[in-house]
Amino acid sequence: DAKTTQPPSMDCAEGRAANLPCNHSTISGNEYVYWYRQIHSQGPQYIIHGLKNNETNEMASLIITEDRKSSTLILPHATLRDTAVYYCIVRVSGAGSYQLTFGKGTKLSVIP
Amino acid sequence: ETGVTQTPRHLVMGMTNKKSLKCEQHLGHNAMYWYKQSAKKPLELMFVYSLEERVENNSVPSRFSPECPNSSHLFLHLHTLQPEDSALYLCASSQFRQGGPYEQYFGPGTRLTVT
Repeated sequence: DAKTTQPPSMDCAEGRAANLPCNHSTISGNEYVYWYRQIHSQGPQYIIHGLKNNETNEMASLIITEDRKSSTLILPHATLRDTAVYYCIVRVSGAGSYQLTFGKGTKLSVIP
Repeated sequence: ETGVTQTPRHLVMGMTNKKSLKCEQHLGHNAMYWYKQSAKKPLELMFVYSLEERVENNSVPSRFSPECPNSSHLFLHLHTLQPEDSALYLCASSQFRQGGPYEQYFGPGTRLTVT
């Protein structure tokens, strides 16, 4: 699985958009980009995934650059409940280990 | 609510006790997982069941024994644990598709303390 790089922490004002970047410059053609988050002492929560195209669901949008070497998770209107550690994971699907490798992630603090 | 439930949410047990953790998924998935999360450590995959068959077992001590009676239920049987086994134990499920993406949905976890 390709390695990812994320900033260790970010702040965002409540009600504003939170843009969380992830660098995955060694990504290969069959690897998906997944985003999860973990609120303190709870289980990780799946947010969104994508391969090439931008994706949007009820929680967030995922913007993947054309060369696929980086992506941005966008929470359009951050609330205090969005304070969590956000993990960007790149992995091949459907083969090999089932292991989800969580790095250190980005600790997002939403400020009132 | 993710569709994955775990019981109990908190468990305190002595080193000589035997207990079981239970996980149930209501998502119609065909794969279930046990993870361990210790303080300030990354998530560690313990066991994977796909279509009720154990497909991955990552060198977990024998004092942890998984059981998957059907595709919706997963148990983790615990006996003669050590204090260092105190951690958050997480269950997850996914719909495995060969060659396709599969996201994992996690339960809330069981916070285990071994005294």
